[in-house]
Amino acid sequence: DIQMTQSPSSLSASVGDRITITCQASQDITNYLNWYQQRPGKAPKLLIFDASNLETGVSSRFSGSGSGTHFTFTISSLQPEDIATYYCQQFDNLPLTFGGGTRVEIK
Amino acid sequence: EVQLVESGGGLVQPGGSLRLSCKASGFTFDRYAMHWVRQAPGRGLEWVSGIRYDSYSTGFADSVMGRFAISRDNAKNSLYLEMNSLRPEDTALYYCAKATRSHYDFWRSPLDPWGQGVLVIVSS
Repeated sequence: DIQMTQSPSSLSASVGDRITITCQASQDITNYLNWYQQRPGKAPKLLIFDASNLETGVSSRFSGSGSGTHFTFTISSLQPEDIATYYCQQFDNLPLTFGGGTRVEIK
Repeated sequence: EVQLVESGGGLVQPGGSLRLSCKASGFTFDRYAMHWVRQAPGRGLEWVSGIRYDSYSTGFADSVMGRFAISRDNAKNSLYLEMNSLRPEDTALYYCAKATRSHYDFWRSPLDPWGQGVLVIVSS
């Protein structure tokens, strides 16, 4: 199975801050990497697909980059509505696997 | 608008069985793979199972292999998860999720949207 190591597990930042989350795959997954946002009490929502493509309707504050085994997710200017847990997920091979999640809070 | 509505959850004793359903609307159901993903209380996301648009291929997490079965009825726009030999560690919120792309390899697609989830509690 492909292991997805996500860091940090949580972070606290101020409104307007730039934040970055990293995701490391245990083997090369090319760009088969997605990022999801899960707000408290809600279902996950797709934000970034294929490592760097912004899903339709998603704020351009969100971006993704990387390929192979190392990926990053960035929020350029943190907003109160961004309070959520963010997950990376590989879809290069079965079983689909998720990172452990990053809980983002406002300082 | 794409909608996914899960049902069939509840409290079941260890060793028992349960069948989850996911009713889809707002898209051409028989063109897309579908998946089940679960989330134990206070924990992260775990993929459970997926099925290709034509049911030709399926996949399961090791943790449920041999105990769970996935199926779909394209005529009824519905996805199912048959869960047998349930264990306390199967307790979770179960989401159904739609693949965003139609692909021969059913796992080669992001998942969106997701349903609101259905709670399964395995306890005596």
